[in-house]
Amino acid sequence: GIQVEQSPPDLILQEGANSTLRCNFSDSVNNLQWFHQNPWGQLINLFYIPSGTKQNGRLSATTVATERYSLLYISSSQTTDSGVYFCAALRDSNYQLIWGAGTKLIIKP
Amino acid sequence: EPEVTQTPSHQVTQMGQEVILRCVPISNHLYFYWYRQILGQKVEFLVSFYNNEISEKSEIFDDQFSVERPDGSNFTLKIRSTKLEDSAMYFCASSGDRRTDTQYFGPGTRLTVL
Repeated sequence: GIQVEQSPPDLILQEGANSTLRCNFSDSVNNLQWFHQNPWGQLINLFYIPSGTKQNGRLSATTVATERYSLLYISSSQTTDSGVYFCAALRDSNYQLIWGAGTKLIIKP
Repeated sequence: EPEVTQTPSHQVTQMGQEVILRCVPISNHLYFYWYRQILGQKVEFLVSFYNNEISEKSEIFDDQFSVERPDGSNFTLKIRSTKLEDSAMYFCASSGDRRTDTQYFGPGTRLTVL
């Protein structure tokens, strides 16, 4: 089955810095999603991005499906960006989302 | 923008009690899911549901668990006899197409079993 690995596991940055989070997956996917889990535990949909590049404000994501990785970029970080960022890939055989372990991002003021 | 809603936001129960977690998926979606996240761990798939029956279930989803769509809007997860290890965040999700569509997640129910 699909394995999903995220790096780095932890990232501490100053406000205003840029960051790149990486998600590697072991098999081809039809669906890859990025989520932000806020301090209250809620999962916020960021991107549905099986391939290509998308942008939403200060966030953008790129998935290179042929090389089996996805990147999430956060520019000009704010303290409200803190939390855990997850990527999840859809297992084609049974349509389950398989989740990475997350990157814990802390933005210091 | 339509969203998935879940109630309650937090449920505290005694070990051995039954709990029902409720979800209202996005209205025109056809596929429904439950996931759980034990504190500090990965999110794990529990079950998917389509056309009034379970499509897939994981090893976690044993006989203590059941799902139901009792009417046209609600989707419920029942845990028949809760254990301490059932303490977790439970997320409901829905999608229009299980293969190519985004799965939209609710805010979660935090279940605490004492």
